[in-house]
Amino acid sequence: QLQLQESGPGLVKPSETLSLTCTVSGGSMSTTNYYWGWIRQSPGKGLEWIGSIYYSGSTYYNPSLESRVTISVDTSKSQFSLRLTSVTAADTGVYRCAGHAREQTVVPGWFAPWGQGTLVIVSS
Amino acid sequence: DIVMTQSPDSLAVSLGERATINCKSSQSVLNSSKNKNYLAWYQQRAGQAPKVLIYWASTRESGVPDRFSGSGSGTDFTLTISSLQAEDVAVYYCQQYFRTPWTFGQGTKVEI
Repeated sequence: QLQLQESGPGLVKPSETLSLTCTVSGGSMSTTNYYWGWIRQSPGKGLEWIGSIYYSGSTYYNPSLESRVTISVDTSKSQFSLRLTSVTAADTGVYRCAGHAREQTVVPGWFAPWGQGTLVIVSS
Repeated sequence: DIVMTQSPDSLAVSLGERATINCKSSQSVLNSSKNKNYLAWYQQRAGQAPKVLIYWASTRESGVPDRFSGSGSGTDFTLTISSLQAEDVAVYYCQQYFRTPWTFGQGTKVEI
């Protein structure tokens, strides 16, 4: 059964870079059934999709964040990572990684399963 | 962006009674050529990650109790819990995957 777990610093200073890693277990990342995505959740913005990556490195990014986001994948380590630059307090929230299911379509669809999430606070 | 709007924001339902949650998209999420609605529903219990319940608007995820059902097409969708159980207390979200950026509704809180 596929499981995902986020890791990374819980506190980031304003203007610095947020870096998180998601480790996938219970299955291979090199599958055509999934992209691998990042979603964040905050009281002010609810659930917000950040971006998704295929095992080949192909990516989709949310245009609202695209200028600051990079998602990369390392299938040899069963990991994919998120970098968000120039963070502000508005980037505070719970960041979750998730499988981004791809069924009967070229682009992915729903998110399953999800990691438990990691709280990232942007503060000096 | 496709805006997803849920109603109500919260509702209280007695145990064993029906709960109905609505989700409206700002544009159609129906792929007419495939006759599929690109919509999913999630359940998020307190302190937990969201869990997918329904995708393709009405296909139940494996292991999801059959008291959960999804319906609707185009821009208007409904998640129904036919007989509310205590473990169904949660926030429910809809999500469209018709067009990027993929977007979620604001959530509906279901209480007893």
